[in-house]
Amino acid sequence: QKEVEQNSGPLSVPEGAIASLNCTYSDRGSQSFFWYRQYSGKSPELIMFIYSNGDKEDGRFTAQLNKASQYVSLLIRDSQPSDSATYLCAVILLNSGGSNYKLTFGKGTLLTVNP
Amino acid sequence: EAEVAQSPRYKITEKSQAVAFWCDPISGHATLYWYRQILGQGPELLVQFQDESVVDDSQLPKDRFSAERLKGVDSTLKIQPAELGDSAMYLCASTLELGADTQYFGPGTRLTVL
Repeated sequence: QKEVEQNSGPLSVPEGAIASLNCTYSDRGSQSFFWYRQYSGKSPELIMFIYSNGDKEDGRFTAQLNKASQYVSLLIRDSQPSDSATYLCAVILLNSGGSNYKLTFGKGTLLTVNP
Repeated sequence: EAEVAQSPRYKITEKSQAVAFWCDPISGHATLYWYRQILGQGPELLVQFQDESVVDDSQLPKDRFSAERLKGVDSTLKIQPAELGDSAMYLCASTLELGADTQYFGPGTRLTVL
């Protein structure tokens, strides 16, 4: 079982719509969850982090966390063409040797917002 | 705004050659990470430093990869010899301290091995 799973997409939404991106993770003990945006050929850029169950809003972005279901999502309201990018879900997980917590990424979901 | 610096931005090399990448973290950041990102995948941690000490290199292919952070500031990642499968984006990130969650990424080095 992969540690952090995302639908690879592509997810295509019209401009102004809500884009919904989903992620599941394997370690029930995980406490920290992140969403990064990555434009083609560029490095990841942190857009949201969430630690507690429930919703966290920042402008047009809302992160949702459900630890019981091991599920984290990102909603983008009023999607703009400039939001077109790959969105990476990342979770702090214990490494395979049990010696260190590391940031573990999913494969990312490609989002395309059509004008 | 302080940023993580990396060089070179792009590197093309032939297989069996040696390559080296450099990273300068945000000033004062004690923890430094090297990641590899293959096209279509998420970044994968190669090595993590706390100051000059290696915290985690469990995913570093030690037969050909090496990393150092001699003075606990900037860092170098080396591959010798490079193989075709090493073509990827190599990303450096830093955090203020060990255990701090928010990682700030540099622009990356795109490596192409021919």
